[in-house]
Amino acid sequence: EVQLVESGGGLVQPGGSLRLSCAASGFTFTSYWMSWVRQAPGKGLEWVANIRQDGGETNYVDSVKGRFIISRDNAKNSLFLQMNSLRVEDTAVYYCARGVTAVDWGQGTLVTVSS
Amino acid sequence: DVVLTQSPLSLPVTLGQPASISCRSSRGLLHSDGNTYLNWFHQRPGQSPRLLIYGVSNRGSGVPDRFSGSGSGTDFTLMITRVEADDVGTYYCLQSTHRPPTFGQGTRLEIK
Repeated sequence: EVQLVESGGGLVQPGGSLRLSCAASGFTFTSYWMSWVRQAPGKGLEWVANIRQDGGETNYVDSVKGRFIISRDNAKNSLFLQMNSLRVEDTAVYYCARGVTAVDWGQGTLVTVSS
Repeated sequence: DVVLTQSPLSLPVTLGQPASISCRSSRGLLHSDGNTYLNWFHQRPGQSPRLLIYGVSNRGSGVPDRFSGSGSGTDFTLMITRVEADDVGTYYCLQSTHRPPTFGQGTRLEIK
C-alpha cells in the first residue's frame, strides 16, 4: 500500500522559514517524480513544485521561485520542501504527491504564515 | 501557463441521476509523446484528493465504473452515470502535458 506522510507544518511569521518532509513507502521511490501541491483555506488546488527521480531536475510555480527548494533523499525515501521568505499568501495545506500526475496523495500538513 | 476552465462550478444532483463536468483547456493537451496528460480528482470535505481518472479515460485503482472520462485536444468531460451519496465533494481536473502543471478551479457536487 502506498503511503505518503507529510510533517513539518506549523505557525511561522512572515519572512520566516519552514522545512516540510514527506516519508514515502509502499512503492519504488526512485522510479517516480515527486510533487508538492498546496491548498489555501477554502480554495482550490495549486501545484507548487516537482522533482525528477534523480533530483537532477526541479520545477516550480512562479510564485515560489527563488523562495522554495524541493529536494529528495532516495536512500531514505523522503521528499522535502524548504520554504524561505514565507508570505501570508503561502498559508495552505501542503500535500506530497506521487508522480507528475499526482497518482497518490498524503494527508497534508498545514502551514500558517501570520504575525 | 495553461488555464483549465471547469463548468459548472456548482452541480446539484439527485441521487441516482447522472452528472457531467466539463474541463476546457486554453491549449491542446496532446503531448509530443502521443499521450494526453489530463487527470480527474475527487476531494471529499476534510480529506485529501483522490485520483479518479488518468490519461483522459483510464480509471484509477478501485474507482467504480460509474465514473468515466472522455475528450481530446482542449475539451474533456468527467461523467458519473448514477450519483451516490458518497460522490459529494469537489472535483478537479489537472493537466501535466505543459509546464507548469495546472488544476481547474474545481466543481462542487452536492445532493439535491
